[in-house]
Amino acid sequence: DVKVTQSSRYLVKRTGEKVFLECVQDMDHENMFWYRQDPGLGLRLIYFSYDVKMKEKGDIPEGYSVSREKKERFSLILESASTNQTSMYLCASRQANYGYTFGSGTRLTVV
Amino acid sequence: DQQVKQNSPSLSVQEGRISILNCDYTNSMFDYFLWYKKYPAEGPTFLISISSIKDKNEDGRFTVFLNKSAKHLSLHIVPSQPGDSAVYFCAASDRGAQKLVFGQGTRLTINP
Repeated sequence: DVKVTQSSRYLVKRTGEKVFLECVQDMDHENMFWYRQDPGLGLRLIYFSYDVKMKEKGDIPEGYSVSREKKERFSLILESASTNQTSMYLCASRQANYGYTFGSGTRLTVV
Repeated sequence: DQQVKQNSPSLSVQEGRISILNCDYTNSMFDYFLWYKKYPAEGPTFLISISSIKDKNEDGRFTVFLNKSAKHLSLHIVPSQPGDSAVYFCAASDRGAQKLVFGQGTRLTINP
């Protein structure tokens, strides 16, 4: 089974802090994604990456950046956390032409 | 521009009955459709998928129906069980695309 591991299940950060969310997958998938889930808004794509050092903006990239230095690891960075970035963050990886495998999610609270 | 829409935010069904979750899409290029199930504080898990060359796919208690002319798909769960209580997301993609487009989700509650 493909495993996607997100480093933290719950995080509490202060406004203005720089926040790193880490995601690792173990099945050599090319594509990796970061989504956030908010009630009534579903899953919204922040950034995705289809190869090492490659990244593409999703639907809501503002306030975020990403890093993919190795194929198995895709990091989401909140440059200066704000309260409106309080959310559930979900990482996923995908083998071409198949569905996603998601991590367990990180519940981030910015205070 | 919401390309995938789940118009029912919530659905309540009695245990043992059929649950029907609906999803509409606007992009005629979509040719691969999936349903995911999500429990609170967990990531979504894959449930069932269907390719546009089919109009029905079954897996145990779960059946997905695709009506391409109406750009509509539905997920049927029969019989519904308490463990089916979760949020269900439909998703779609063009097979040439790298990303899936998700609907807003429907919260299904199965009542004993």
